[in-house]
Amino acid sequence: QQQVKQSPQSLIVQKGGISIINCAYENTAFDYFPWYQQFPGKGPALLIAIRPDVSEKKEGRFTISFNKSAKQFSLHIMDSQPGDSATYFCAASGNYQLIWGAGTKLIIKP
Amino acid sequence: DAGITQSPRHKVTETGTPVTLRCHQTENHRYMYWYRQDPGHGLRLIHYSYGVKDTDKGEVSDGYSVSRSKTEDFLLTLESATSSQTSVYFCAISESRQGAQNIQYFGAGTRLSVL
Repeated sequence: QQQVKQSPQSLIVQKGGISIINCAYENTAFDYFPWYQQFPGKGPALLIAIRPDVSEKKEGRFTISFNKSAKQFSLHIMDSQPGDSATYFCAASGNYQLIWGAGTKLIIKP
Repeated sequence: DAGITQSPRHKVTETGTPVTLRCHQTENHRYMYWYRQDPGHGLRLIHYSYGVKDTDKGEVSDGYSVSRSKTEDFLLTLESATSSQTSVYFCAISESRQGAQNIQYFGAGTRLSVL
């Protein structure tokens, strides 16, 4: 019940395309859903986050879509650029815990 | 990296030797965490601290111990390193563990190889 399942494990997208990463959770006590971005040789850094009372949040080319009834949320990267190539982690926060997805390695081909 | 310094950045050691990794923060955040990152496993919590001398276990704590004698320093010790502890170790900090305030800031990581 504490897991956050993330898919796909890896993703290759052409420059200019849309990258989509999906996550699913089970525990309804989670009340905050962040996405972290990690570049090689660096630690993860907060990219964008959403609360469960909102169905979508957009920041520039990055959008989180949230489906509370399905207990799923996803990250969409519009007009994907080579500089977006990184590992992306979804997470769920609640009950004084932060539960991480396993990560998605995204490669944007020029 | 949000005022977080990990040392050393790289370490090669032999099986059976003790190893200590250090995390130093300048943000005065209450919570500090040690994670390990391995391919296919994402980030796994080893131990965390909620104050000076206050620590608790995470999901993969066996073989590891921690200490926090000052707000700014959090040490991770591998009592007797094994090859399965070869990994990249990240320290993180946060002001809170509640919901939207549980934003974690990460150091640059320590790459540890146990031969």
